[in-house]
Amino acid sequence: QVQLVQSGAEVKKPGASVKVSCKASGYTFTSYDINWVRQATGQGLEWMGWMNPNSGNTGYAQKFQGRVTMTRNTSISTAYMELSSLRSEDTAVYYCARASVNLGYWGQGTLVTVSS
Amino acid sequence: DIVMTQSPDSLAVSLGERATINCKSSQSVLYSSNNKNYLAWYQQKPGQPPKLLIYWASTRESGVPDRFSGSGSGTDFTLTISSLQPEDFATYYCQQSYSTPRTFGQGTKVEIK
Repeated sequence: QVQLVQSGAEVKKPGASVKVSCKASGYTFTSYDINWVRQATGQGLEWMGWMNPNSGNTGYAQKFQGRVTMTRNTSISTAYMELSSLRSEDTAVYYCARASVNLGYWGQGTLVTVSS
Repeated sequence: DIVMTQSPDSLAVSLGERATINCKSSQSVLYSSNNKNYLAWYQQKPGQPPKLLIYWASTRESGVPDRFSGSGSGTDFTLTISSLQPEDFATYYCQQSYSTPRTFGQGTKVEIK
């Protein structure tokens, strides 16, 4: 069965970077894009960007341009999302999701807390 | 960017009653080459990731009960839950995948009346 397993919770100081991993199993990793979506506590879903694991091509929401980098390691079927220059407003749960015309499979989420 | 606007923000419904959630996009999400609307609906419960319910505006994901239905085309869409069950109390989101960024609606919380 398709599974996306994300790395554990992180606590970071303002100005630092965080890198969240998303390990895929149960399907051919390079056959589907990975999207990243975040959700601040009590708030809605915010789409951050996409990555094609086959080509490595990426596309980011304007809001995150220059601060986010999405990469992958195909040998271990793992996608990564790195967010830099963290501020308190980046405190949220970060999700990876397998993308086709929809987001049919999601990781369990990774809580990133930004606090001094 | 395509702006997705849901209404209402919250909805109080009794068990067994119908719930209707609307989603409006700021531009059409109908792809003319295949006549498909790139609009999906997700259900999210506290502490869980979202779950796909409906895609292409009206196609139920495998395993989703048939009390969930989607309709609409172009810019106006509706998610209907025909007879609310206890497990349906959750927050619902629409999302367009017509263009990037793949924007979500702000969510509609369905609560017990």
